Amino acid sequence: KQEVTQIPAALSVPEGENLVLNCSFTDSAIYNLQWFRQDPGKGLTSLLLIQSSQREQTSGRLNASLDKSSGRSTLYIAASQPGDSATYLCAVRDDYKLSFGAGTTVTVRA
Amino acid sequence: NAGVTQTPKFRVLKTGQSMTLLCAQDMNHEYMYWYRQDPGMGLRLIHYSVGEGTTAKGEVPDGYNVSRLKKQNFLLGLESAAPSQTSVYFCASSLGGYLEAFFGQGTRLTVV
Repeated sequence: KQEVTQIPAALSVPEGENLVLNCSFTDSAIYNLQWFRQDPGKGLTSLLLIQSSQREQTSGRLNASLDKSSGRSTLYIAASQPGDSATYLCAVRDDYKLSFGAGTTVTVRA
Repeated sequence: NAGVTQTPKFRVLKTGQSMTLLCAQDMNHEYMYWYRQDPGMGLRLIHYSVGEGTTAKGEVPDGYNVSRLKKQNFLLGLESAAPSQTSVYFCASSLGGYLEAFFGQGTRLTVV
């Protein structure tokens, strides 16, 4: 059974600092990994999708890396802003189902 | 383009009552999923469907039933609600089994 872990559970940084969010998974036989953002009381918004054959994916200030062999992914958010405050979830897809981590709750202080 | 729409957004049930949650997607996606989200536990898969007329059990299927009579709709039923089913329920869909998943806004269900 795939286990997905996100550490730390919560993170608080001053505005402008770069964010580094970690995700690890136990079974490296994945098809892809997806990062989501969730605002309080809201649904999940897809941020980045990395296929298993890719090493990284970028969108604006966001960059996600994937090391499938070691079972790790990292989401980097450059020059954080208060609007980046949210919970970030990673999910790995194997056998066409997504397995989720519990998330990292980020607070960016103005 | 509405994407994935869940109905209702909020509901309070009494123990033993039944209800159906509706998920509708307008993206012609083959795959649809129902998840529940509980504090500190992440999202857990309840049931999923790989196409019209198909359903399969996920990680936590007990107490739930599903139906996919039309490609665009995926229904989640609670036959006899229990307080342990108090949760936020999310529906998701994807074009293919290994493609990007899109989520609805969630249904907050409280069973008293």
